[in-house]
Amino acid sequence: AQKITQTQPGMFVQEKEAVTLDCTYDTSDQSYGLFWYKQPSSGEMIFLIYQGSYDEQNATEGRYSLNFQKARKSANLVISASQLGDSAMYFCAMREGRRGSQGNLIFGKGTKLSVKP
Amino acid sequence: GAGVSQSPRYKVAKRGQDVALRCDPISGHVSLFWYQQALGQGPEFLTYFQNEAQLDKSGLPSDRFFAERPEGSVSTLKIQRTQQEDSAVYLCASSFRGLTGELFFGEGSRLTVL
Repeated sequence: AQKITQTQPGMFVQEKEAVTLDCTYDTSDQSYGLFWYKQPSSGEMIFLIYQGSYDEQNATEGRYSLNFQKARKSANLVISASQLGDSAMYFCAMREGRRGSQGNLIFGKGTKLSVKP
Repeated sequence: GAGVSQSPRYKVAKRGQDVALRCDPISGHVSLFWYQQALGQGPEFLTYFQNEAQLDKSGLPSDRFFAERPEGSVSTLKIQRTQQEDSAVYLCASSFRGLTGELFFGEGSRLTVL
């Protein structure tokens, strides 16, 4: 079973509108972290936002917010006031906490966001 | 520079050749990760270092893949006897802390095996 599922291969949004990118995850760990990264055509993965499994409030970073629904195991990314520069691939990722060892990131397959002028 | 630096950015190899990909992490970052990203896919974990110690190499796809970080700074990912299925972007990332720290990625090395 996939650990991270992103069901939207591609999304379009009009400039200045908000868009939600879906992400569901699967883990039996109680301690884990959820991340969103942006990958423009240059290839670099750019960190956007982080949500810890014990965080009670949804994470926000500027125009990015994470809609964390723990019971549903979903961590959707909301981008408000889309800009042309937001056009890129977006990856949801999870780091599982394991006692006594360091975790590593498990990525979804990504969603390609295209912002229309 | 301030970010993670990878070289070469592009590498074309004939099948059977050995290649070496270099990663220069952010100064002071103790953790270093290598990921493989096939076309149209998300990155997949290959291996992880904490300083010079390779703590996890469970993601390396075969014994043709070898990574080292001898002085706890620069890391090299070596692929011996390259195969066409090795064609991918190889991403390096570093982190100040291993578990909860944010990963900073380089721009990757795109390997094409003919």
